[in-house]
Amino acid sequence: NAGVTQTPKFQVLKTGQSMTLQCAQDMNHNSMYWYRQDPGMGLRLIYYSASEGTTDKGEVPNGYNVSRLNKREFSLRLESAAPSQTSVYFCASTPIREGGQPQHFGDGTRLSIL
Amino acid sequence: AQTVTQSQPEMSVQEAETVTLSCTYDTSENNYYLFWYKQPPSRQMILVIRQEAYKQQNATENRFSVNFQKAAKSFSLKISDSQLGDTAMYFCAFMTPNDYKLSFGAGTTVTVRA
Repeated sequence: NAGVTQTPKFQVLKTGQSMTLQCAQDMNHNSMYWYRQDPGMGLRLIYYSASEGTTDKGEVPNGYNVSRLNKREFSLRLESAAPSQTSVYFCASTPIREGGQPQHFGDGTRLSIL
Repeated sequence: AQTVTQSQPEMSVQEAETVTLSCTYDTSENNYYLFWYKQPPSRQMILVIRQEAYKQQNATENRFSVNFQKAAKSFSLKISDSQLGDTAMYFCAFMTPNDYKLSFGAGTTVTVRA
């Protein structure tokens, strides 16, 4: 059982390039999330999808777009990458939003923008 | 986003000894959920423990236990009989039942010395 799978694990981009980070979960979870982790700041929510067909902004959505392709997959797109988007990106999922269920995380994608 | 504060950036503990990590949060909600996540050098985010605010009993998971003080808005994590594998960054996180978003603290790096 793979859990939450993120691809790629590492990526280097030039400023202005576009990139899509992929996330897939095989746990039949309804809700999915994208976070970024920067030194000294913990994880911050970029976008989330409470259920298939819905997406909402989190704390730091500027410069990003998301697509909930189906129940399993939730992608994060950088249309025009900027050095400020250099970070480690985590995807997470949870069975349902209700009840304070813990989120299950992927292994992260380290993204560097030059 | 709710404010979660971890005031100890780094802590060091001798193997087999006990270490306590502090976490405070700011909220006007009465019902919410609290979590501690562990992030070892492998970068995985691993759930350590979960606490429901309406439960007065402190959660425990093997060598990990919490001291939940609702009135003081404090949620500390105690690691007993520390092991080398406990070396990691630990994040405190807060979730409200109205939007089920996680707010993370900045993290505490714990180093267990042999």
